[in-house]
Amino acid sequence: GNSVTQMEGPVTLSEEAFLTINCTYTATGYPSLFWYVQYPGEGLQLLLKATKADDKGSNKGFEATYRKETTSFHLEKGSVQVSDSAVYFCALMRSGSARQLTFGSGTQLTVLP
Amino acid sequence: DAGVTQSPTHLIKTRGQQVTLRCSPKSGHDTVSWYQQALGQGPQFIFQYYEEEERQRGNFPDRFSGHQFPNYSSELNVNALLLGDSALYLCASSFEWSGIQREKLFFGSGTQLSVL
Repeated sequence: GNSVTQMEGPVTLSEEAFLTINCTYTATGYPSLFWYVQYPGEGLQLLLKATKADDKGSNKGFEATYRKETTSFHLEKGSVQVSDSAVYFCALMRSGSARQLTFGSGTQLTVLP
Repeated sequence: DAGVTQSPTHLIKTRGQQVTLRCSPKSGHDTVSWYQQALGQGPQFIFQYYEEEERQRGNFPDRFSGHQFPNYSSELNVNALLLGDSALYLCASSFEWSGIQREKLFFGSGTQLSVL
């Protein structure tokens, strides 16, 4: 079956530090990959996505590259801000799956000033 | 343009009761999916509705049922509530015929259900 594994959290960083959140997946075929962000008390917001191997998704300074050979989609940001504090979810959507998302367990990020 | 709206925002029920949660999709969207997010976990897919029919279902018991209305809004019903049903219930909407944008789901803020 399909599954997504995220690095264990929580992650605490100082402002302007470099961020990496690891994500690996298991899926048949060629899924699309996503990062969603959830701020306290809110629903999920799409942060970025990639639909095929070697694609790089990017948004708001965050980046992730679809690596088929390592089945990974790690999230990175060069300089985090306090406002980036949130829970980050890696997810996949298998082609032909009627847009059903399979999520990882989430990584809580706290950025300290 | 209103996004996905869900009601109520919070709900407290006791074991054995029944609950109905509501979702209005983003304007122009015709497909609604429901997810359950337990505390500290990622959301899990419950089911999806399109053209007023359940199109796909996740690994949830029949106690979980739903409905989609002609205006594309949707309800999630849970019967015989269990303590383990306590979770944040998220609704997501999308537009079926929007090409690559079909994959872009918009989520509501959720309904926090507590079962005592």
